[in-house]
Order: sequence, then C-alpha cells, then structure tokens
Amino acid sequence: DVKVTQSSRYLVKRTGEKVFLECVQDMDHENMFWYRQDPGLGLRLIYFSYDVKMKEKGDIPEGYSVSREKKERFSLILESASTNQTSMYLCASSFLDEKLFFGSGTQLSVL
Amino acid sequence: GESVGLHLPTLSVQEGDNSIINCAYSNSASDYFIWYKQESGKGPQFIIDIRSNMDKRQGQRVTVLLNKTVKHLSLQIAATQPGDSAVYFCAALRRVNSGYSTLTFGKGTMLLVSP
Repeated sequence: DVKVTQSSRYLVKRTGEKVFLECVQDMDHENMFWYRQDPGLGLRLIYFSYDVKMKEKGDIPEGYSVSREKKERFSLILESASTNQTSMYLCASSFLDEKLFFGSGTQLSVL
Repeated sequence: GESVGLHLPTLSVQEGDNSIINCAYSNSASDYFIWYKQESGKGPQFIIDIRSNMDKRQGQRVTVLLNKTVKHLSLQIAATQPGDSAVYFCAALRRVNSGYSTLTFGKGTMLLVSP
C-alpha cells in the first residue's frame, strides 16, 4: 500500500514564526501536492511538484513556499505564519495523471 | 477554470438503505473523476474512479455513474452501513496553464447513517 507520511499530526505556532511541514511518500511517485482544508471551503491546492526541484503554484500559493530536493519528500514552508493560515494541511502523492494518495493531515494552529 | 460542486451538504440515511451522493462539474474537458471518503481526523481515502470513456463503474458496494452530457456524476453506496458515515468528495482532473494536471475537489457531502 502507498504510504504518505506527514511529520506532525498537530502543530501550534506563533504569528511570525517560520513553519516547516514535511511530507514523505514511499511509492516513488513523481507528483506531490499540498492542500489546505477549511470548513465550508473544501480542499484547496497550494502548491504541487512534478519532479525533483520543480514546483508549480496552485490556487492559493500566497504566503507559502515549497521545496522538493528529493523525490520522496515535499516540504511546505510558511515563511511568516499568520492566524489566517490556521488550517488542516494535507499532503498527497500520485503517479502521473492518476488518483492521489493522501497523508493523515497536519492540523496547524497559529496563535 | 474548473469548479466542482456537490448538491447537498448533508445526507442522512438509515442503515441498510442505498445512498446516492451527487456532484456536478463545469469543465467539459475533464476526463477523469474520483470519489474520496474522509472520516473524522483522517486524510481522504480513495473510493473509486472513472474515466470519461465510461458511463459506469462498480466497486465493492459502490457504483459511480458519469453523465457527460449534463456534466454530472454520482456515487451510489449499496446497503449503507454505520461505517460509511463520513464526508464524501468528488474530484475532477483539470489541466493547468503549465500543461500539467491537478485535481479540483468539491466541497464535500457529509453522509450520516443512523442504525
């Protein structure tokens, strides 16, 4: 089975802190994604990557950056966390144009 | 762009009934659709997918129907069980400007199954 592992289940940070969310997949998938999920808004795509060192903006990239130095790892970075970035963050991976496999999510609270 | 919507935010059924969750999409060029199930505190789990060259696909207790004419798809769950209680999302594949593909998700329907 595909496994997508997010490093933290819950995270509490202060406004202005730099935050790193880590994601690792074990199926050699080319594609990796970061979504955020908010009540009433569903899943919204922040950034995605189709190859090592490659990144593409999603629908809501403002305030975020990403890093993909190795194929299995995709990091989401909040340069200066703000309260409106309090959310559930979901990482996913896929092979080409196939279904996404999701991690369990990281619930981030920014105080 | 693509928008994907679900018709009802909440669906309540009795255990043993069949459930039908509906979804509409806007981009007629979408050619791949997926249904996900998300239980409380977990990430979305893949249920079933369908490509646009098919009208129907069946899995274990689940069936997805695709109507490309009206840009509508539905998820049918047979003999619904309490363990089916979750939020269900439909998603449609779309091409972005760079030529790559991403999934656009609907906002979800919460399925509540009562014994």
